[in-house]
Parts: sequence; C-alpha cells; structure tokens
Amino acid sequence: AQKITQTQPGMFVQEKEAVTLDCTYDTSDQSYGLFWYKQPSSGEMIFLIYQGSYDEQNATEGRYSLNFQKARKSANLVISASQLGDSAMYFCAMRDAIFNKFYFGSGTKLNVKP
Amino acid sequence: DTAVSQTPKYLVTQMGNDKSIKCEQNLGHDTMYWYKQDSKKFLKIMFSYNNKELIINETVPNRFSPKSPDKAHLNLHINSLELGDSAVYFCASSQDPMGTANEQYFGPGTRLTVT
Repeated sequence: AQKITQTQPGMFVQEKEAVTLDCTYDTSDQSYGLFWYKQPSSGEMIFLIYQGSYDEQNATEGRYSLNFQKARKSANLVISASQLGDSAMYFCAMRDAIFNKFYFGSGTKLNVKP
Repeated sequence: DTAVSQTPKYLVTQMGNDKSIKCEQNLGHDTMYWYKQDSKKFLKIMFSYNNKELIINETVPNRFSPKSPDKAHLNLHINSLELGDSAVYFCASSQDPMGTANEQYFGPGTRLTVT
C-alpha cells in the first residue's frame, strides 16, 4: 500500500514568492523519518530536509522548512523566496524504522516563473 | 570526491541481452539500495543490502539479481532484458539502518533503454 501521497502533480510559483508542496503519509509506527528530495531536470536526487517523528520543532534548512503536523500526518515542504533554480521535481519520502524502507511519493513538479 | 557513483550512466541494449550496472559508495555506509524510476518519475525500491546481506527484496522479476561483494559495492545484473525494463536505475546508500535520521545519498542514475 502506498504510504506517501503528494496530491499536486504540478505547481507554478512566481520568482521570489513562497510555495508549499503538500505531502501526507500513512503509518502506524511511532518512529519514522520524513524526507524531501529535489530532482532537477539533470536527474540527480538531492536531499533537502529531514524531520523525525519525535522532533517537536519543524525542521529548517536555509530557504526550506518542513511544516510537520503529526496528528494530520502531513509533512509539507515550504520553499521561501523561490528562485528559478528551484524548478524541479520534489519528492516526499518516509523511512520506516522497522523495515528500513524508504517510501517515496509520486512527486510534484515545481515551475518557478520569472 | 563522488559519494555514490554508478556506471554506466547510459545503457542502450536490445531485448534479450544481459547487462550489469555497478555502484560504489565511499561514505562508509552500511546499507545500499537499488531503485527503479519509471517514465512517470515514480521511484520504487527494488533491493536493499546491509553489510553485504540482502534485507529488502521487493516484488522484482528474478531476472534482476543484485550482488554485493563488499559493503561499498552493490551491483545489479539483469538477464533477458525486456522493453519494460527501460527506466532510470538509482543506487543509494545510507547509514544507521535501524534508525530513521539518516538520509539516503543517491548515485547519478543509470538510464537504461531497451530496444
């Protein structure tokens, strides 16, 4: 069963504006990790940000922040001050602590307009 | 220094052939993975090895056979290639298999095209 859901196949954002990419997950585990990866058109997978299930504060990494709402099982990525180089596919992923598997969402293609 | 490397980057071959993709990581990680990314960009785990031992084997045709000669290397051999095998194959590695904190580091991917 798919455990990660990204409901936005594609999004547009104006340069310098903030954008939120949605991610919901499904697990009955208490311990898990949530990740966001960026895949530009060149194809490589770039790690952006991590949130642990026991972390009380939302993770931040530069212009990236993760809006973690545990009760809603959501882990949305917020990109502030979008740049043209942010245009890429973005994948949400969950790491299962028991089986050590990473489950990936279907991705959101973000286009930043000048 | 490249953390996770894969060879070749591109692979074009005909149906029925056998091919291998090699992966090496110099991060000292214990766990390595193979993923398949299809044309719709969906990433699906295929295999996972921890210290040369197979720990995840998803529903993958047995034409696919991983091999880990040591914990820094994980190769993927594919027999009797089919058109549906065309995809990008990613190798990845991570540390601390029983925890959740450590991210996966991905290789650059191998684009396999079967004609």
